[in-house]
Amino acid sequence: DQQVKQNSPSLSVQEGRISILNCDYTNSMFDYFLWYKKYPAEGPTFLISISSIKDKNEDGRFTVFLNKSAKHLSLHIVPSQPGDSAVYFCAASVTGSARQLTFGSGTQLTVLP
Amino acid sequence: NAGVTQTPKFQVLKTGQSMTLQCAQDMNHNSMYWYRQDPGMGLRLIYYSASEGTTDKGEVPNGYNVSRLNKREFSLRLESAAPSQTSVYFCASSRDPTDTQYFGPGTRLTVL
Repeated sequence: DQQVKQNSPSLSVQEGRISILNCDYTNSMFDYFLWYKKYPAEGPTFLISISSIKDKNEDGRFTVFLNKSAKHLSLHIVPSQPGDSAVYFCAASVTGSARQLTFGSGTQLTVLP
Repeated sequence: NAGVTQTPKFQVLKTGQSMTLQCAQDMNHNSMYWYRQDPGMGLRLIYYSASEGTTDKGEVPNGYNVSRLNKREFSLRLESAAPSQTSVYFCASSRDPTDTQYFGPGTRLTVL
């Protein structure tokens, strides 16, 4: 049973527009969430995180939104750039444990020039 | 600063063969992790080491063993490889168990 789900395997967006990547989770114990970006033949790279005490966190062009009641988070990229084309993984964990991450299956984002 | 390095990058094994995947980090991190990634799935934790001298099972430990050789190095051993272990293996490290994890480039393993 997947506790973290990314239901869209792929997403294409025009350069300069907004990219919205979505993630749902089922485990109500999760209280810390992260997004990783992965290029081909490389390891995942940490992008941005959010604690459950917040509902929004921004870092430059990247914003993560958390809706605890819906068990849903999303990553917004504005404006999207061709270099943002990568696989994006959502991950979740429980604070206080050795931060064991549970990953979603990823969404391939393609930003078209 | 190399970060997290993994060797080898690619490996092909026959069923029943054994091998060890090596991982090293130069960030003075206390915690290290091994994940596997299969097509259409997210990364799944195999084993982790919260600190030097300790190791614990993750979500999918069967068929694997690990050794935390020292603070820098964390190896993953397949004693008798099976086709189901064909995957991409990622090593990661973090300053402590609650800190952000940084990943190596991965080892692509095929078991025939």
